Amino acid sequence: EVQLVETGGGLVQPGRSLKLSCVASGFTFSSYWMYWIRQAPGKGLEWVSSINTDGGSTYYPDSVKGRFTISRDNAENTVYLQMNSLRSEDTATYYCAKGTDYWGQGVMVTVSS
Amino acid sequence: QITLTQQAESLWVSPGEKVSITCRASQSLLYTDGKHYLSWYQQRPGQTTKALIYHASIRTDGVPTRFIGSGSGTEFTLSIEDVQPEDIALYYCLQTLKKPYTFGAGTKLELK
Repeated sequence: EVQLVETGGGLVQPGRSLKLSCVASGFTFSSYWMYWIRQAPGKGLEWVSSINTDGGSTYYPDSVKGRFTISRDNAENTVYLQMNSLRSEDTATYYCAKGTDYWGQGVMVTVSS
Repeated sequence: QITLTQQAESLWVSPGEKVSITCRASQSLLYTDGKHYLSWYQQRPGQTTKALIYHASIRTDGVPTRFIGSGSGTEFTLSIEDVQPEDIALYYCLQTLKKPYTFGAGTKLELK
């Protein structure tokens, strides 16, 4: 059974950093692209980043480019999202996804002073 | 970037009925491999987001056959035949043809 468990969320002040982790199980982690997707409270979904199987290629939308960094550790079956210079508009539930077929439960990030 | 428009914010349906949710793309989602890069997702409160359909019409493993994806080019439809109470949820389309990947705004399926 595919499982994706996100951790690392919480309340953080604007301008500070936070690192999310997503531990995967139930599939061959190193064979799949991984994604982060977010959803602001009461709003729709936004793709945040992608990383290829070996971590050599990463992609971001303009809204987070230069502030967020996705990475992965295939030995630990974990994908990360380093979020720097956080803004109030980054407040959202962040979901980790295996390709486009399985999502985690999500972790809440609140950016507020 | 590619914009996905789900015109209906909400749709009301009775159990047993058929309902169709549409998603229109600002450009064709057909790639040179002959596949459309359009997926459908279901969000129910307290549950993980569930992938229903990929490549416009292929059901993800375990998804009931009453969920049917169709369409091509820029127009896509998720149909739910014989709606069940557990199908009451938010439904989103997603394009993964070009980055940035983009979602539709979502359609909320509600009981009459």
